[in-house]
Formats: sequence, structure tokens, C-alpha cells
Amino acid sequence: QKEVEQNSGPLSVPEGAIASLNCTYSDRGSQSFFWYRQYSGKSPELIMSIYSNGDKEDGRFTAQLNKASQYVSLLIRDSQPSDSATYLCAHARGRRALTFGSGTRLQVQP
Amino acid sequence: ETGVTQTPRHLVMGMTNKKSLKCEQHLGHNAMYWYKQSAKKPLELMFVYSLEERVENNSVPSRFSPECPNSSHLFLHLHTLQPEDSALYLCASSQEFGYEQYFGPGTRLTVT
Repeated sequence: QKEVEQNSGPLSVPEGAIASLNCTYSDRGSQSFFWYRQYSGKSPELIMSIYSNGDKEDGRFTAQLNKASQYVSLLIRDSQPSDSATYLCAHARGRRALTFGSGTRLQVQP
Repeated sequence: ETGVTQTPRHLVMGMTNKKSLKCEQHLGHNAMYWYKQSAKKPLELMFVYSLEERVENNSVPSRFSPECPNSSHLFLHLHTLQPEDSALYLCASSQEFGYEQYFGPGTRLTVT
């Protein structure tokens, strides 16, 4: 089992819809969770971090964490074509580098 | 975002060349990382440094040699590379382990 599992996609949503990206992880001791956005040919950009169970909202983005079920999700409201990218989920446990998933490719159709 | 810079941005080198990639972070972070990202593949962690000390080396071939002279600078020295080493090489930094990592723009390396 991979440490971080993401559906590779592509996930296709129409412009204006809610995009829902999911990530599951195997390490129950994971303490911090992150979502990165990566445009083709560019480096990953941090968009959200979440440390506690529940929801965290930042603009059009909402991260949801459920440690008991070992999943973290990212909701993008009012999706725009400019949101089309690969979204990477990452987590950390203690004094270690982040562990990244393979990413989900999101396509927002105009 | 200019917190983490990388040079050069693009590099073409032959298999017998020696070159170096440079990374500099202006964020006052204590940890720095090198990643490799090949086409349509996930990020591969190569090396981790904490306060100039290498703390992780993920079975990377010896033709890649990292150097961290201080907490703001990180180098990746390259020699006798193979065509399969062509990839995007990313540097990142974080305040400490477990905190957000911030990436540089990457160096697109092509080995001919």
C-alpha cells in the first residue's frame, strides 16, 4: 500500500462547479497535511495546510481532514479554467520530510 | 515567489560533462531538500539537509553529489549522467521537518 493514495484522474468538472479531490494515507501517526498545486512544467505551489480534524477554508478552497478515516480532501468552489492543474497531497509525521502523493490532474472545462 | 531560487533554469549537458545546480532560500529556513520529477512521474525525494547536515539520502546514484555549505545554500553536483537522468530538479526548504515546504522554480535538465 502506498503511503499516500490519490486518484490520478483526470477529474473533469465544468466551470463554476465544485471540484472535490481526495487523498488517503496509511500512516496513522501523520500530524500535518498539505495540498499543493502544480501547473504543467512548473514547480509545486502550496495552497493549503491543515493540522486538525475538520474543515479549513481559504477563499475558494476548503481542506477537510478526518484522521480517524485517514483521509484528507480539497474542495474547490466555483472552479475556473485556471484551476486546471495537478493537485498533490502531502503529509508529515514528526521530524521527516513530507511524503507526497502522485497527484490528481484536474481539468476545468469552460 | 522569490523565496527559493534555483539556477540555472534550463541545462543541457552531455554524459561526460560536470555541472552543478544551485539553490538559495531567503526564508530563514533550517531544512532543504532536492527532488527529482521525471515526466508524468511523482516527486522523488533525493536528499535532505537539516542545518547543513545531510539527514537523508534515498539510494541516489553517486553521480549525484549534494553539498550544503550553509543553511541558505544547496548545491547538486552532477557528473557522468545518463539520459534517464533528464528531469525537472526541484529544490525546497522548510522551517523544520513537518512544516510546509516551499519549492523553487526548478531546473529542467536534459542529458544528451
